[in-house]
Amino acid sequence: RKEVEQDPGPFNVPEGATVAFNCTYSNSASQSFFWYRQDCRKEPKLLMSVYSSGNEDGRFTAQLNRASQYISLLIRDSKLSDSATYLCVVNINTPLVFGKGTRLSVIA
Amino acid sequence: DAGVIQSPRHEVTEMGQEVTLRCKPISGHDYLFWYRQTMMRGLELLIYFNNNVPIDDSGMPEDRFSAKMPNASFSTLKIQPSEPRDSAVYFCASMTSGEETQYFGPGTRLLVL
Repeated sequence: RKEVEQDPGPFNVPEGATVAFNCTYSNSASQSFFWYRQDCRKEPKLLMSVYSSGNEDGRFTAQLNRASQYISLLIRDSKLSDSATYLCVVNINTPLVFGKGTRLSVIA
Repeated sequence: DAGVIQSPRHEVTEMGQEVTLRCKPISGHDYLFWYRQTMMRGLELLIYFNNNVPIDDSGMPEDRFSAKMPNASFSTLKIQPSEPRDSAVYFCASMTSGEETQYFGPGTRLLVL
């Protein structure tokens, strides 16, 4: 079983739509959680951390369910510029473990 | 401030040749990571250093791969001899102790013919 699993997509959504990505992780000792964003032919960059209580950054909301070992990212009012691959990331004693990513295409 | 710097940005070589990838981490960062990314396998950690010391190289695929960090501002990843299956994007990332955000370089796109 892979340590971090994501639906690869692609998710093709119209502008203004709400889209949600899910991720599961296998190691219950995982300490911290993140979403990274990777644009086409670019490097991954931190989008946001994920806290147990859930957290929001503008149109983006991240949720963590430790009991189910499940992480989610919700994007409201999608913009064309949100088109990218979203990587679910788990920290298990310093080295980050990356999911393969979920590709999002926002269409005009 | 300069981010993580990698060179070359692109490398095309023939099977059997030696390839050296270079990385300069962000100044003051004491962790350095080397990753490989392919469509099939996603982003894989190859090796990471803390204070220039290799901590975990279990992700290095085989003896053809080696990495060094002679000082805090420079690291190399070497493949000798290279094979077509080594074709991938190789990323270097750095991080500072006490924080969890890794900052990635732009990557080196390697094509082995």
